[in-house]
Amino acid sequence: QKEVEQNSGPLSVPEGAIASLNCTYSDRGSQSFFWYRQYSGKSPELIMSIYSNGDKEDGRFTAQLNKASQYVSLLIRDSQPSDSATYLCAVNDSGGYQKVTFGTGTKLQVIP
Amino acid sequence: EAQVTQNPRYLITVTGKKLTVTCSQNMNHEYMSWYRQDPGLGLRQIYYSMNVEVTDKGDVPEGYKVSRKEKRNFPLILESPSPNQTSLYFCASSLSLTATNEKLFFGSGTQLSVL
Repeated sequence: QKEVEQNSGPLSVPEGAIASLNCTYSDRGSQSFFWYRQYSGKSPELIMSIYSNGDKEDGRFTAQLNKASQYVSLLIRDSQPSDSATYLCAVNDSGGYQKVTFGTGTKLQVIP
Repeated sequence: EAQVTQNPRYLITVTGKKLTVTCSQNMNHEYMSWYRQDPGLGLRQIYYSMNVEVTDKGDVPEGYKVSRKEKRNFPLILESPSPNQTSLYFCASSLSLTATNEKLFFGSGTQLSVL
């Protein structure tokens, strides 16, 4: 069973701080990595995707990928109360399988 | 508006009473999938379909059936629901997961309670 591991949290950060969310995965052949945000009672929505080692920035969000360490992270700069949600790490399986494996998610709380 | 539509949003039923949760997408997506979400267990894949008449099991297929007779529709069928199928269900679609940058579009979810 391919696994995606996340700390369930909650991760509490003050407004304006940097929130750092981490994810490890077991499938060494995975090529595509995603961060979805899920507000309570709502469906997940994609906020970042990353495919190459290094950093990818989009506004206040930065995704970081280290394939050698099988590690993906999401940094949220200038955190806002509206960022309070559960963040799901997702990994496309390798080997041509049409499957995305999700982590259990990290709950982020931004304190005003 | 591009979207994945699931119905119903909430459903309460009793053990053994067959039910169907519908899912429809208007984006001409090839790939569709069903997930269930439970506290502490995250999103787990039930079944997926790569195209019309092509379906395959995910991680937790027991007790569920699906069909893909048309590209836009992918209903989830519970022939004899049991209380352990009480969960939040999501349908999702994607143009194709063989492309590395394809994201999943999710429906709004169906909260199912089996008494």
